[in-house]
Amino acid sequence: DAGITQSPRYKITETGRQVTLMCHQTWSHSYMFWYRQDLGHGLRLIYYSAAADITDKGEVPDGYVVSRSKTENFPLTLESATRSQTSVYFCASFQRDRANEAFFGQGTRLTVV
Amino acid sequence: RKEVEQDPGPFNVPEGATVAFNCTYSNSASQSFFWYRQDCRKEPKLLMSVYSSGNEDGRFTAQLNRASQYISLLIRDSKLSDSATYLCVVNPNSGYALNFGKGTSLLVTP
Repeated sequence: DAGITQSPRYKITETGRQVTLMCHQTWSHSYMFWYRQDLGHGLRLIYYSAAADITDKGEVPDGYVVSRSKTENFPLTLESATRSQTSVYFCASFQRDRANEAFFGQGTRLTVV
Repeated sequence: RKEVEQDPGPFNVPEGATVAFNCTYSNSASQSFFWYRQDCRKEPKLLMSVYSSGNEDGRFTAQLNRASQYISLLIRDSKLSDSATYLCVVNPNSGYALNFGKGTSLLVTP
């Protein structure tokens, strides 16, 4: 189905473990983003990508790594998870055009224990 | 100073009421503006774009004031289903990441 999908939807991991959140979009949008959403902070940008093999840091990149070898995929890796990374993570894609609408995945709820 | 600021609310209004939200942004070079809606535990979805001349979509009216750097959203004849968080979104440079406000919570009561 066309759209943007995230996996897993829910994840519990232990402090210090590496975990990867997946994001896949079928529209061939150039831009993809990772946001985290926490109470009191709203949506904060972690990383974004303007095209395959082009990524850049957002507002809160520390502790995260991204890659974009293919246009449709934009995985986010927590290298060594910490409790402060417990959050809801949203992936989004965007194509610069008249509408300029960003589409979001359903989110991944990550708990680090 | 946050790039996009909103009153978090909550706004509690009765059905049928008119309610307005405002949002201010700090980057005067910002080019694109949007209102997104987010239901509890769901992903944000575009409600409407905001154009310089102002625009209307049914019961929703959005306005942009570039001189004062604020955006507004007016909801007329509120419905129970309008209960959600409304996110003000600014694209500081065309084609780059979107900056979100923290959102304004609206609760429409019977």
